[in-house]
Order: sequence, then C-alpha cells, then structure tokens
Amino acid sequence: DAGVTQSPTHLIKTRGQQVTLRCSPKSGHDTVSWYQQALGQGPQFIFQYYEEEERQRGNFPDRFSGHQFPNYSSELNVNALLLGDSALYLCASSLLRTAVEKLFFGSGTQLSVL
Amino acid sequence: AQTVTQSQPEMSVQEAETVTLSCTYDTSENNYYLFWYKQPPSRQMILVIRQEAYKQQNATENRFSVNFQKAAKSFSLKISDSQLGDTAMYFCAFYEGGSEKLVFGKGTKLTVNP
Repeated sequence: DAGVTQSPTHLIKTRGQQVTLRCSPKSGHDTVSWYQQALGQGPQFIFQYYEEEERQRGNFPDRFSGHQFPNYSSELNVNALLLGDSALYLCASSLLRTAVEKLFFGSGTQLSVL
Repeated sequence: AQTVTQSQPEMSVQEAETVTLSCTYDTSENNYYLFWYKQPPSRQMILVIRQEAYKQQNATENRFSVNFQKAAKSFSLKISDSQLGDTAMYFCAFYEGGSEKLVFGKGTKLTVNP
C-alpha cells in the first residue's frame, strides 16, 4: 500500500505566480483534505473534497481552490502567490464514513514563494 | 471557535525515561475527539493516539498513554521508556463531531537524548 503520495516534494515560485500541488489518496480512500502548515505552526485546514465536490472550507481566500478527480486524487491550486503562502502543504485522505477518526497524511509539498 | 494550546514549545528527555507533553483545548461541545500526532523530520503526520470524549477511560497505545481531564479540558500525552526514534514534533489536535477538520496546536518539539 503506497499510502498518501504528494508531488512535488519541494517547489519554488515567485510572487504573483500560480501553483498546482497534487495528491493521491491511500488506496480505498474517497475523501481528501488539504492543510497548510506555516513554519513553527500546526497545520490549518484549507478544504475537504468528496465525490469531486468541496464539502467544507477553512478560513482561506478564494485564491486557494481545489479539485478532485474520479479516481479520488486531488489538486490544490493557489493563484497570485504571496510571500505568506510559503508553507508545507499537507494532503490527508480518509473514508468519508470514518472521516478524521482515521486520517492518513502524506509527507507534504514544501512551497517557497520568493 | 475551538482552540488548542500547547504551552511547551520544546522539551527534552533522556533515553528510557518518561516525559509528559501538555495540551489544553477550548470547546462548548460534548461530542468530540482528541488526538496526538507525531511529525518526524520526514514531515509526515503520524497518528500516535486518539481519545473519544465520551469515554472516561484514558487511551493507551503501547508506550504512549494520555491523561484526559474533560472538566479541565486537558489532554496530556505520556511517553514511557523514551526511545531515540521518538524525537519529533508532537501536535495535539481536536475534532468536533459534524465538522470535517482537525484543529491543531502549535506543537511541542521533543528531543530524546542518548
């Protein structure tokens, strides 16, 4: 079982650019959540996707958007990057019926905005 | 809004000794879950232990146990027989029934010394 895989592992972008991060959930999982972890902080919930729709969203601007594909994989898109978007972005997968009770995380994408 | 507070930014312990990490949280709900996650340098968040609020018995997982004080809204993690591999960031997290997100504390950096 490959677990939750994220790509790329590291990314460097410039202010104003756009970025796409990718996540493949653990085999058998149907729900994907995204978290942002700034340096020295705990992860913060961005949003959750199930059946290709956003189910819930945290306190993040519309510059952050996502997508879930029929194979349950997911993308996180961030437009008009700001220096403050520099962070580790974590993807987590689960079955909807077990939700956060059994959540599996990937190793994240480290995004640096210069 | 729910908040999770970890008041110890850093802690250290000698190998084979016992260490306790503290966590307090704020909620007005009765139905919720509490978690401790470990984040080693690999960055992947790994579930250490989980506690359902309706259960009075403290959860245990091998060398890891919790002291759950519901009235005091306190949820500490005790690591017995500390091992070098326990060196990591430890995050306390809260989940409220009906929500889709985990709320994390800022973490405690634990170093186990040989």
